[in-house]
Amino acid sequence: KNEVEQSPQNLTAQEGEFITINCSYSVGISALHWLQQHPGGGIVSLFMLSSGKKKHGRLIATINIQEKHSSLHITASHPRDSAVYICAVRHGGADGLTFGKGTHLIIQP
Amino acid sequence: DVKVTQSSRYLVKRTGEKVFLECVQDMDHENMFWYRQDPGLGLRLIYFSYDVKMKEKGDIPEGYSVSREKKERFSLILESASTNQTSMYLCASRRSGGETQYFGPGTRLLVL
Repeated sequence: KNEVEQSPQNLTAQEGEFITINCSYSVGISALHWLQQHPGGGIVSLFMLSSGKKKHGRLIATINIQEKHSSLHITASHPRDSAVYICAVRHGGADGLTFGKGTHLIIQP
Repeated sequence: DVKVTQSSRYLVKRTGEKVFLECVQDMDHENMFWYRQDPGLGLRLIYFSYDVKMKEKGDIPEGYSVSREKKERFSLILESASTNQTSMYLCASRRSGGETQYFGPGTRLLVL
């Protein structure tokens, strides 16, 4: 069973700061997901990665398959980025995802 | 616009009651999932379904069962609710062969 570790667990930063959230996993995967969960519970998918790097607006996600590590970066952070960010991995087939415990991010004005 | 709906946002039940949580998706997805989310533990997979009438146990199936009689609907059943089943329950769906899972808004269940 894959172990998915995220760091930090909690992060408070000032508006405008560059944010990095890290994710490492123990077993080879077919895909890694970054998800965002706002207060109230709804989860949205931000990125799916199997290699390299993806960018969407101010969000950048990278993955290093050899090192079993991924990072999520937020540039020019804003209070509306405050949320829980969750890393999840998939091993292929129809199985569900294995999740990290999440990083609770607060961006202060 | 893709949509996954869950029957209740909040639910309060008593120990020993039979509880049904319903999930409906309108995307004609083959794969559906039930997770529970607890502080400090993150999301954990309870059951998933490949297709109609197909079901597989996830990581924590004990105390739960599921039903998938129609493609769009996946039900989670707590046969006899217990206080340790107090949690946030999230449903998700995914197209077979796809990667993105679409989540419902969640049902916060309190068992007294």
